[in-house]
Amino acid sequence: DIQLTQSPSFLSASVGDRVTITCRASQGISSYLAWYQQKPGKAPKLLIYAASTLQSGVPSRFSGSGSGTEFTLTISSLQPEDFATYHCQQLNSYPLTFGGGTKVEIK
Amino acid sequence: QVQLQESGPGLVKPSETLSLTCTVSGGSISSSTYHWGWIRQPPGKGLEWIGNIHYSGASYCNPSLKSRVTISVDTSKNQFSLKLSPVTAADTAVYYCARRRVEAGDWFDPWGQGALVTVSS
Repeated sequence: DIQLTQSPSFLSASVGDRVTITCRASQGISSYLAWYQQKPGKAPKLLIYAASTLQSGVPSRFSGSGSGTEFTLTISSLQPEDFATYHCQQLNSYPLTFGGGTKVEIK
Repeated sequence: QVQLQESGPGLVKPSETLSLTCTVSGGSISSSTYHWGWIRQPPGKGLEWIGNIHYSGASYCNPSLKSRVTISVDTSKNQFSLKLSPVTAADTAVYYCARRRVEAGDWFDPWGQGALVTVSS
């Protein structure tokens, strides 16, 4: 199985901050990586797929990069509605796996 | 706009069968572009992919769940289903259904709102 390691697992930041979350895969997954945002009591919402393609309707302050084994999700200027947990997922091979999640809280 | 909705019992006894159905509205489950998946999240923990199915019946499941999982599709009802048996307390989780696109990108979207299933006697 491909393991995804997200870091940090917890992040405290202020509105307006630039935030970067990393997702490392235990083996190469090309660009088969998606990022999701999840708010408490809600289902995950797709932000980015194919490592760097922004899903329609997602604000441009979100961006993704990387390929192979190292990926990043960047929020260029954190907004109040961005405080949530972020998950990466690899879709390169079965079984599909998720990272452990990064919780972004208000400083 | 496609929407997914999970339904099924919220409480299941240990050693019994967890059964959930996902109803797809606003689009056809019989599209070759999409697969239909189940993902779960134990309280306070991360996401775990359970499996997904194509309308043709082709399915893939997480080996970690071994032979306990069955995923099926009913195109006449625009639904797909999950059965997990036998269950233990470790199967207590919010269960989500989601649509997976596998062409021109690969992702799960949209997701259902989730169904909390508690395994307890």
